[in-house]
Amino acid sequence: GENVEQHPSTLSVQEGDSAVIKCTYSDSASNYFPWYKQELGKRPQLIIDIRSNVGEKKDQRIAVTLNKTAKHFSLHITETQPEDSAVYFCAAKPPQGGKLIFGQGTELSVKP
Amino acid sequence: EADIYQTPRYLVIGTGKKITLECSQTMGHDKMYWYQQDPGMELHLIHYSYGVNSTEKGDLSSESTVSRIRTEHFPLTLESARPSHTSQYLCATAEAGAKNIQYFGAGTRLSVL
Repeated sequence: GENVEQHPSTLSVQEGDSAVIKCTYSDSASNYFPWYKQELGKRPQLIIDIRSNVGEKKDQRIAVTLNKTAKHFSLHITETQPEDSAVYFCAAKPPQGGKLIFGQGTELSVKP
Repeated sequence: EADIYQTPRYLVIGTGKKITLECSQTMGHDKMYWYQQDPGMELHLIHYSYGVNSTEKGDLSSESTVSRIRTEHFPLTLESARPSHTSQYLCATAEAGAKNIQYFGAGTRLSVL
């Protein structure tokens, strides 16, 4: 079945710097890749997603890139702010069924 | 406003008690999920349902059970709670379709003494 690996597990950046979180997946047929942000004590919330027929998607300061050949996708956050501090989860959706396979999570700390 | 409601938000109980965690949704979604998550850690899928009378075990073995008698309601039951069940339980829903965007409830934080 599908397996998703996420790196790094923790990431600390200075405010204003960029942050990049990477995920690799094993099932080349997976076709949908969302990213969730979970602030401390809150529920995970979708921040951006990408389908397998698209290589890059951007929404203001966040972007996601997908490399289907290498089977990896990345979250890019530019001009980081303290409110970006949270745990970020990537996920992949195999073609069959309605499950998402989540990565292990990355704890991002943005220091003022 | 459409949402996912989980009750109780916090629960402290003794070992051996039977408990049911409630999840109700007004999203109109067919798919529902239960995840177990220690704070800030990995999300583990323990049960899911694609519709009424459909339930499946997830990727993480769990001693809990679920039922889906109504589309809006997906309760999770622990017949005999143990300290190892102490965790946060998140309910999620998704609409039909290929994208499978999942929306999460606020969670139930369970402590078993």
